[in-house]
Amino acid sequence: GQQVMQIPQYQHVQEGEDFTTYCNSSTTLSNIQWYKQRPGGHPVFLIQLVKSGEVKKQKRLTFQFGEAKKNSSLHITATQTTDVGTYFCAGRDSNYQLIWGAGTKLIIKP
Amino acid sequence: DAGVIQSPRHEVTEMGQEVTLRCKPISGHDYLFWYRQTMMRGLELLIYFNNNVPIDDSGMPEDRFSAKMPNASFSTLKIQPSEPRDSAVYFCASSKSSWGNEQYFGPGTRLTVT
Repeated sequence: GQQVMQIPQYQHVQEGEDFTTYCNSSTTLSNIQWYKQRPGGHPVFLIQLVKSGEVKKQKRLTFQFGEAKKNSSLHITATQTTDVGTYFCAGRDSNYQLIWGAGTKLIIKP
Repeated sequence: DAGVIQSPRHEVTEMGQEVTLRCKPISGHDYLFWYRQTMMRGLELLIYFNNNVPIDDSGMPEDRFSAKMPNASFSTLKIQPSEPRDSAVYFCASSKSSWGNEQYFGPGTRLTVT
C-alpha cells in the first residue's frame, strides 16, 4: 500500500541547534498535515499544507511542501526544551485517506 | 468544548479478558478514528467511521477486535479475548470531515494485558 516515509527516526540536538524532519511519498499527495506529540501525550495538529511549493511558518517552525507534492519538511530553528516530542507528518492520498509517517523523535541533549 | 474524551485512561487486565475502550468525539464532528500506538509499530489506524457508519476497518488486527458507533456521540473498541501483544496506547480522534480537516485526538487509553 501507499506509504509515507519519514526520516530520521530520532534526532539528538543541543538546545539552540536546528532540527529538520523529512517526509517522502511515492505518489502525489492532496495535502499534508503535521502533528506534534509530547512525551506521554497525544498527537496535536500543527499545520496543513495544500499547494505545490507551499511554505508556512509558525514562529521558529518552517513547513514546506514540495513542488511535486510528494515530499515535505519541518524545520525548527534554535530548538528549545519545549520542542521535545515526536513530530509526525500525515499525507492525504488520492482516496482521501490520511497516511501517517513513522514520526521523528526530537531529543534535546542536556 | 471538552475535546475528545476517552475512558478509561489506563486499563490493566489479564490475558483472555474482555476489554472495552470508550470514546466521545467532539460534537459536530462527522468522522471518528481509532488508532493504536506502540513503540514497534508506531501509530496505526484501526478503523474509522463516517456519520456512525464504519467505512474502513482494514487496520483491525483480527477478529478479536470490534468497534461500534451506536450514535454520533459515542464509540467503543472491544477486544475479546485480550492478549499481551494487544498492550498499547489506543487513541480515538475525530474530525469535521475526512478531507482537509485536522484530526483532534483524545488523551488515549493505555492498555496493559498481563
